[in-house]
Amino acid sequence: EVQLVESGGDLVKPGGSLRLSCAASGFTFTNAWMSWVRQAPGKGLEWVGRIISKTAGGTTDYAAPVKGRFTISRDDSKNTLYLQMNSLKTEDTAVYYCTRDLDGGYASWGQGTLVTVSS
Amino acid sequence: DVVMTQSPLSLPVTLGQPASISCRSSQSLVYSDGNTYLNWFHQRPGQSPRRLIYKVSNRDSGVPDRFSGSGSGTDFTLKISRVEAEDVGVYYCMQGTHWFTFGGGTKVEIK
Repeated sequence: EVQLVESGGDLVKPGGSLRLSCAASGFTFTNAWMSWVRQAPGKGLEWVGRIISKTAGGTTDYAAPVKGRFTISRDDSKNTLYLQMNSLKTEDTAVYYCTRDLDGGYASWGQGTLVTVSS
Repeated sequence: DVVMTQSPLSLPVTLGQPASISCRSSQSLVYSDGNTYLNWFHQRPGQSPRRLIYKVSNRDSGVPDRFSGSGSGTDFTLKISRVEAEDVGVYYCMQGTHWFTFGGGTKVEIK
């Protein structure tokens, strides 16, 4: 069974930093393309960014609102995905989901972790 | 950016009756490999989204066959043949052809 478990969400002040983690199990993480998707309170879903498998190049891509501030990385030896968030803004407040990409969409989702950016 | 527009925003349904949600994209979702990367997700209150449909009409594992997807190009539809109580929540379409964008969501509730 595929499992994705996010952690690291917290209350942080504007301008601060936070790192989220996503522990994956139940599939071959090394071959997986992974994304982060967020959902602001009471709002819809928004793609944050993606990292492809190292065998495919290991490259990352980001949505415009987070480009230059957020960094996605992976540790295949630990089956773990990361999201480093810097220069946080109040509009980054959201539940952040870790997802496994398959067939042009998000086949599996974690339970999400809440990031609150507020002074 | 590709804009995904869903309608209706809210859909009151009667148990056992069919329901239909529309999703329109601002440009064609046919990718260079010939596939159309249009997905449908369902999110129950307080839960994570779950994918129902990928590549327009393919049901994910464990998804009941009362859910079906159709469409092409820029116009897509999710149909529920007979609505059950567990189908309430918000439905989102999402395109994965030109990066990734979601529709605004359609809230399904029981009349």
